[in-house]
Amino acid sequence: DARVTQTPRHKVTEMGQEVTMRCQPILGHNTVFWYRQTMMQGLELLAYFRNRAPLDDSGMPKDRFSAEMPDATLATLKIQPSEPRDSAVYFCASAISWGSGANVLTFGAGSRLTVL
Amino acid sequence: AQSVTQLGSHVSVSEGALVLLRCNYSSSVPPYLFWYVQYPNQGLQLLLKYTSAATLVKGINDFEAEFKKSETSFHLTKPSAHMSDAAEYFCAVSDAVDSNYQLIWGAGTKLIIKP
Repeated sequence: DARVTQTPRHKVTEMGQEVTMRCQPILGHNTVFWYRQTMMQGLELLAYFRNRAPLDDSGMPKDRFSAEMPDATLATLKIQPSEPRDSAVYFCASAISWGSGANVLTFGAGSRLTVL
Repeated sequence: AQSVTQLGSHVSVSEGALVLLRCNYSSSVPPYLFWYVQYPNQGLQLLLKYTSAATLVKGINDFEAEFKKSETSFHLTKPSAHMSDAAEYFCAVSDAVDSNYQLIWGAGTKLIIKP
């Protein structure tokens, strides 16, 4: 089965440290999403890319978060500096986008971040 | 603007009983509708989707959902619950004409199965 691979699966860090999460989307998928999931807020869209170009990052705190796709096989989400309120599970998902809303997302297993 | 409401953050059923998870949406244009399931410590995975073909959609693990335009609903059902169905279920809607493809998610419903 084709899958979305995320690393690390778990990360514990101290406040102020830089955190980088990585995602390998499914080969051939042209749309990549970053989501954050918390008990309080549920599932939040942080950013997404189509054909490696950022389409929407309005859900992301711009002062500390950044998302990039250096190539078609790698998406990164960076937090610098990290804060305890960033503790969450971060999901990457990819899809083949045909330009309609019928696309199915395939999610990675998530990166659980704990900021102390 | 589109929105999705899932009634009940937690639903508890006995093993073997009918499962009914409710989802109502608002959309000004014909929507695409999805149910995703999230098992503990995993990402979400697609259960089923409605894309304007048959109004009764069958998914994996004997789940199905019916699109009812008059009620703006897309409730998820399963005739007989298994312990393995314990998970969180998310309903989502997408605008059929939104080329930027924004999925709007419900808050999720945790399904608890009692032995």
